[in-house]
Amino acid sequence: SYELTQPPSVSVSSGQTARITCSGDALPKKYAYWYQQRSGQAPVLVIYEDSKRPSGIPERFSGSSSGTVATLTISGAQVEDEADYYCYSIDSSGDHRVFGSGTKVTVL
Amino acid sequence: QMELQESGPGLVKPSETLSLTCTVSGGSISSANYYWGWIRQPPGKGLELIGTIFYTGSTFYNPSLKSRVTISVDTSKNQFSLKLTSLTAADTAVYYCARDTKGYADYTYFDSWGQGTLVTV
Repeated sequence: SYELTQPPSVSVSSGQTARITCSGDALPKKYAYWYQQRSGQAPVLVIYEDSKRPSGIPERFSGSSSGTVATLTISGAQVEDEADYYCYSIDSSGDHRVFGSGTKVTVL
Repeated sequence: QMELQESGPGLVKPSETLSLTCTVSGGSISSANYYWGWIRQPPGKGLELIGTIFYTGSTFYNPSLKSRVTISVDTSKNQFSLKLTSLTAADTAVYYCARDTKGYADYTYFDSWGQGTLVTV
């Protein structure tokens, strides 16, 4: 099977920049997607195709990918950005579509 | 704005079969732009894709669940459904239905989700 690895937690002071990484062997050739899940709510797509932002998602959310690591950046983190964040992608064969293990972001 | 709503029992006994339905409103399930998927999340854990379906009936299943899963679509009712057999306590989770939108090339991604329904085995 295929795995996407994320750090369990990231802490950031309000107004500062948070970076969440997602590592996967197929990421050099496959897009990464990012979801935000606030407590008790359904996930929300915040980045698609590595770096595109859906309408309605604040500009402080951005994505990038280099080699086997995709990164979600929250520039000027706000209290409302406290949530779990999951990356999502597919393996080289296309047989496995997986979510990362998730990263809990705490805004201090 | 499409909306999705899960429905089904909240409590199922071990060894039995779970049946859930997702009703799509505000748009057609027969759109060529979308697949439709089921994702689950055990309490306190991460997300797991169960599978997806196109309105034609073409399916994709997570290999780890494939032997126990059937996803079907009813275009006349604008609904798609999930059946998961041989349930154990490990299947206890919040089950989400979601729209799986076609992006660049063969890529798809979940961009609209139902609120989720907790199923306890």
